[in-house]
Amino acid sequence: AQSVSQHNHHVILSEAASLELGCNYSYGGTVNLFWYVQYPGQHLQLLLKYFSGDPLVKGIKGFEAEFIKSKFSFNLRKPSVQWSDTAEYFCAVGAGSYQLTFGKGTKLSVIP
Amino acid sequence: KAGVTQTPRYLIKTRGQQVTLSCSPISGHRSVSWYQQTPGQGLQFLFEYFSETQRNKGNFPGRFSGRQFSNSRSEMNVSTLELGDSALYLCASSLDPAGEVGEQYFGPGTRLTVT
Repeated sequence: AQSVSQHNHHVILSEAASLELGCNYSYGGTVNLFWYVQYPGQHLQLLLKYFSGDPLVKGIKGFEAEFIKSKFSFNLRKPSVQWSDTAEYFCAVGAGSYQLTFGKGTKLSVIP
Repeated sequence: KAGVTQTPRYLIKTRGQQVTLSCSPISGHRSVSWYQQTPGQGLQFLFEYFSETQRNKGNFPGRFSGRQFSNSRSEMNVSTLELGDSALYLCASSLDPAGEVGEQYFGPGTRLTVT
């Protein structure tokens, strides 16, 4: 069975700082990769996704992620965070079997 | 297009009782998945339905069950509730690319508290 690891439980940044959230998965076959975000009091929303092609994918709100197959990683990045990016971020992997496997999430707090 | 709706939004039950949660997917979506979200375990997959058939089930006891109706609406049921069942239960719907997990759209969840 696949598993997903998110290395940071809680990240605290000042506005304008750069962000990188780590995500590693364990599965040897073809995977679909996702980052979801949960803003306070809101439901999960898709930030970006990777199915195939260019390993650098761009999502909404200036976020991007890079798929590195050799490292089984799909790290999320943003060059300059804003206070409104305060949320919980979840990495997820789909590898067939009609399910997504989620990491435990990383809480991001951005200080104005 | 309306999003995924879940009812009720909040529920308080007593240990030993049973509960039924409802989910209406986005119009045209035929796949419905359920997840349990807790602070300690994060999001854990419960089951997935497509055209009234359960295609996959997560590692949960038999007290957790579900079904899907012909209009794609889905319900999940938890019998003999335990304190540890307190969680946010999320429903997600998706179109169904053949054999692959496509993008899922999540509802707001049902917050279940077991006392």
